[in-house]
Amino acid sequence: DGGITQSPKYLFRKEGQNVTLSCEQNLNHDAMYWYRQDPGQGLRLIYYSQIVNDFQKGDIAEGYSVSREKKESFPLTVTSAQKNPTAFYLCASSDPGETQYFGPGTRLLVL
Amino acid sequence: AQSVSQHNHHVILSEAASLELGCNYSYGGTVNLFWYVQYPGQHLQLLLKYFSGDPLVKGIKGFEAEFIKSKFSFNLRKPSVQWSDTAEYFCAVKRGSYIPTFGRGTSLIVHP
Repeated sequence: DGGITQSPKYLFRKEGQNVTLSCEQNLNHDAMYWYRQDPGQGLRLIYYSQIVNDFQKGDIAEGYSVSREKKESFPLTVTSAQKNPTAFYLCASSDPGETQYFGPGTRLLVL
Repeated sequence: AQSVSQHNHHVILSEAASLELGCNYSYGGTVNLFWYVQYPGQHLQLLLKYFSGDPLVKGIKGFEAEFIKSKFSFNLRKPSVQWSDTAEYFCAVKRGSYIPTFGRGTSLIVHP
């Protein structure tokens, strides 16, 4: 059963702590994306990667970092520099027809 | 920069009412257009898309959208909504090799 998996479903962060959100896909897609979803603000692009070992900043990359060492995996780290990290984070990949496939999301809460 | 406007942020309808959700974008060149839907507790998923050809495209669950190039619009329609259409709807626009830009979303509530 192909798709995008994200873990954990809920994540709690303490002040000054870095946390990493996992995203894995078995769709054999080259392109992957991280979005942040806040109420009334839609989906805002954090980072994207169009191929392994390459990634680009999106509209709101400050306070976040990513890696793309494997085609299947695109983890997102929320660093202590991100002052307002509480949000719902969505990972996606896209096929050659440019349709995006989304994961179930991770809700990050700050303690 | 590309921008996508969804003017209706919250829509409340009764079952069997007709639906039209607006989507306008700012770029005048060739674009690819998408509507995605997020049902409560489910993944965001594709509803329909337009790349070229017939400007009236049909998607899943009886939804359709019309691309009007002169108005930079890609409005989503359904003649008769059901309670199960309660969801958040996102319009997205992709220009060339750029990453898609999403609108802010429209929350639809359908009363049974």
